[in-house]
Formats: sequence, structure tokens, C-alpha cells
Amino acid sequence: SQQGEEDPQALSIQEGENATMNCSYKTSINNLQWYRQNSGRGLVHLILIRSNEREKHSGRLRVTLDTSKKSSSLLITASRAADTASYFCATDTSGTYKYIFGTGTRLKVLA
Amino acid sequence: GAVVSQHPSWVICKSGTSVKIECRSLDFQATTMFWYRQFPKQSLMLMATSNEGSKATYEQGVEKDKFLINHASLTLSTLTVTSAHPEDSSFYICSARRLAGKYTQYFGPGTRLTVL
Repeated sequence: SQQGEEDPQALSIQEGENATMNCSYKTSINNLQWYRQNSGRGLVHLILIRSNEREKHSGRLRVTLDTSKKSSSLLITASRAADTASYFCATDTSGTYKYIFGTGTRLKVLA
Repeated sequence: GAVVSQHPSWVICKSGTSVKIECRSLDFQATTMFWYRQFPKQSLMLMATSNEGSKATYEQGVEKDKFLINHASLTLSTLTVTSAHPEDSSFYICSARRLAGKYTQYFGPGTRLTVL
């Protein structure tokens, strides 16, 4: 079953703007990861955030986690056309390092 | 480092034939590999978890006799789609987890299967 629901399903912004994607999940998690997928390609790992963490940064990426609301957000600042891709959250609920992927957000950054 | 390859990258086959997809970790040893399938514009659905030297663990609803998984070594797992039908057409992606690393999975580039 799908663990994560992402919002919005699709997002179109201008280059230089910030993009925010949200992920909500249903059961308690051990950790949550964000991945990026270019069309028809494999996935690239972006950030992992553990259940006891609230915020992490990596370059232009900022991830937050609110376990009380069972939600996470991914913020991409100063977006570039090359950021155009689908973004997925993935959750590990059992601590077995088996991840269930969310529905994804398709981001399009217009030059 | 941490490169995962898949072969073939795309395959077209006739209905009723079997297709084997390979997943290799090129520069690290992977105790665990995962197989996913992805339909167009949809998310990845975990099919099975493959541990080296033992039987794969399949997710609910995935037919183990239809999707045969073999994890023969620490660098190779194979997925065989047996008696393929058009509804098996999909994008199949594998990922591998290092011996030492707990959380990070490294994904292969995927295999596009089209069954005619």
C-alpha cells in the first residue's frame, strides 16, 4: 500500500523561485528520505531525515519533518531549469530499511 | 562510488516469453537489493526484497512464481518475468544497499519492459 501522499502532484514555477513539496504518511516512521527522478531514469538520493530530527539542509535543499503531523516538506531554493524532475518521499516504517515511496511531485522549472 | 547498473536498459518481448533483468552493484557489495516497478507518471511500488544467499521476500500481491528473483552474489540480483503478458509492461528499477550502510539505497537506471 502507498505510505506517502505527496502534494502537489505537479508544480510549475519560474527559474529562481522556490519550490515546496509536501509528503504526508500514515504510520510512524523510523526515517524518511527524499529522492529525485528525471524522466525515465533511476532515482537519486537527496536527503535522509531521521524521526528524531526536525530539519536538515543540503545545498539548496531544506527538508523538515513533523512527526506529530506525520508530514515532511522539501524546499528547493533558487530553482533552476535543471531541477525539473519528479520528487518522491520514501518512508521506512519498520526500521528494516525497506522503503515505501510516496506518489511523487512532478516539478517543472521554466527558464 | 556506489554505482548500480541494470541490464538491459530496455527490452521488447512477445507475450508468453520470459525476460531476465540483471541488477549489479559495480563498486560495492550489497547484502540487500530491492526490486520496484513503476507505471508511467506513477510512483515506485516495491515488489520484493532480495537478500544474498536466501529467498526473496515478496510484497503482498506480487506473484513470486511470476517474478523470480535470484540474488546469487553480493553484487548481482536478477529478476525474471516469466510468461510475460502485456500487463507486465512497466519500468523495473532495482536498488542496492551496502554492507556497511544502513539507510541509503543506490538505484539502478531502470529497465523498460514492453510486452507485445
